[in-house]
Amino acid sequence: DARVTQTPRHKVTEMGQEVTMRCQPILGHNTVFWYRQTMMQGLELLAYFRNRAPLDDSGMPKDRFSAEMPDATLATLKIQPSEPRDSAVYFCASGPRSGTEAFFGQGTRLTVV
Amino acid sequence: GQQLNQSPQSMFIQEGEDVSMNCTSSSIFNTWLWYKQEPGEGPVLLIALYKAGELTSNGRLTAQFGITRKDSFLNISASIPSDVGIYFCAGTPYNNNDMRFGAGTRLTVKP
Repeated sequence: DARVTQTPRHKVTEMGQEVTMRCQPILGHNTVFWYRQTMMQGLELLAYFRNRAPLDDSGMPKDRFSAEMPDATLATLKIQPSEPRDSAVYFCASGPRSGTEAFFGQGTRLTVV
Repeated sequence: GQQLNQSPQSMFIQEGEDVSMNCTSSSIFNTWLWYKQEPGEGPVLLIALYKAGELTSNGRLTAQFGITRKDSFLNISASIPSDVGIYFCAGTPYNNNDMRFGAGTRLTVKP
């Protein structure tokens, strides 16, 4: 049963701490997206990759956020230092080709206190 | 420019009624997608559309890719309580390969 796997599902951390969220895309998918979901802003695109190369990360606050794909089976989103306004649900999605459908993981609910 | 305007924001309907929601943009999109999200879960893909004018069904759900490539609609026929959730449209702009989302339509179905 192919699915996108995200870890952890929940994370509570103190302001100033580093947070790393991980995503295992569906095997064979070459496109990976990171989204942030909040009540106020909805689903915001933070970054996306094609064949592990970052194509667009303009939606990400560059001073504290970074996204990488160290290999085809792992995508990471890091926040350092974290702030309370980063509290949200972060979703990873993967797709078989650019410009086609994408499949979402269950998300990481981040709370920064 | 490439933002998606989704309407209505919310709907309260009686079980058995049909539902219609739509998404528009001021620019052209190459792909239109419809997702459903339930509490505590990620969005689940319902229907994907790739050609202008395309009409695709998935059970009681029907979606169309507008002829102008600037809009799409989703219809749900004979709604049931398990249709409750937030429905999102998404699309890939013609000059980009990212995927943008509408603000969602929250559907409530009264038994």
